[in-house]
Amino acid sequence: GQQLNQSPQSMFIQEGEDVSMNCTSSSIFNTWLWYKQDPGEGPVLLIALYKAGELTSNGRLTAQFGITRKDSFLNISASIPSDVGIYFCAGSKYNNNDMRFGAGTRLTVKP
Amino acid sequence: DAGVIQSPRHEVTEMGQEVTLRCKPISGHDYLFWYRQTMMRGLELLIYFNNNVPIDDSGMPEDRFSAKMPNASFSTLKIQPSEPRDSAVYFCASSRTGLHQPQHFGDGTRLSIL
Repeated sequence: GQQLNQSPQSMFIQEGEDVSMNCTSSSIFNTWLWYKQDPGEGPVLLIALYKAGELTSNGRLTAQFGITRKDSFLNISASIPSDVGIYFCAGSKYNNNDMRFGAGTRLTVKP
Repeated sequence: DAGVIQSPRHEVTEMGQEVTLRCKPISGHDYLFWYRQTMMRGLELLIYFNNNVPIDDSGMPEDRFSAKMPNASFSTLKIQPSEPRDSAVYFCASSRTGLHQPQHFGDGTRLSIL
């Protein structure tokens, strides 16, 4: 099905740098979720957001539910090599059985 | 606690053959989801179940695909007959409370149809 617009597609950064990625949509979502996928494994939940404007942290990760409910961003501070992987946003709508994933942001961290 | 368990991890078969993928959700999770992941289309929801009942199968690509959940601890995704374009990684996920809540994914089945 139609995916969310996730950017950037890939990032190459130096260890210790901060990272920012985002997801946008033309329609409103009720829930935004951020997942990380390591090679050969399934996605693992990082942060879940349920209210417009909500800002939630999980260690060095911070995510926000956009005030318009059409976007969300994920920030990673002071990146480390184990942050390498693919990060996916996912959005869902309560009024129908609609769950969509972004195409992913592939993060590479150079030591 | 055991996570979502999928089998097999890898499957290589010839086109036209029947393929059956298996999933054991986390105990106590009432929702089970099947996804397909490809480079071209990313992660797509195929079908999901609530209390063993299929709720939405609108993501199932064709009649060649079918899914069942005979009990709370087991589900299958079947492709018959298989085609090369079905090659992908298939994930099963489960959730305690629903589609809109965090889901726990298995490690996937990498399917290659020759």
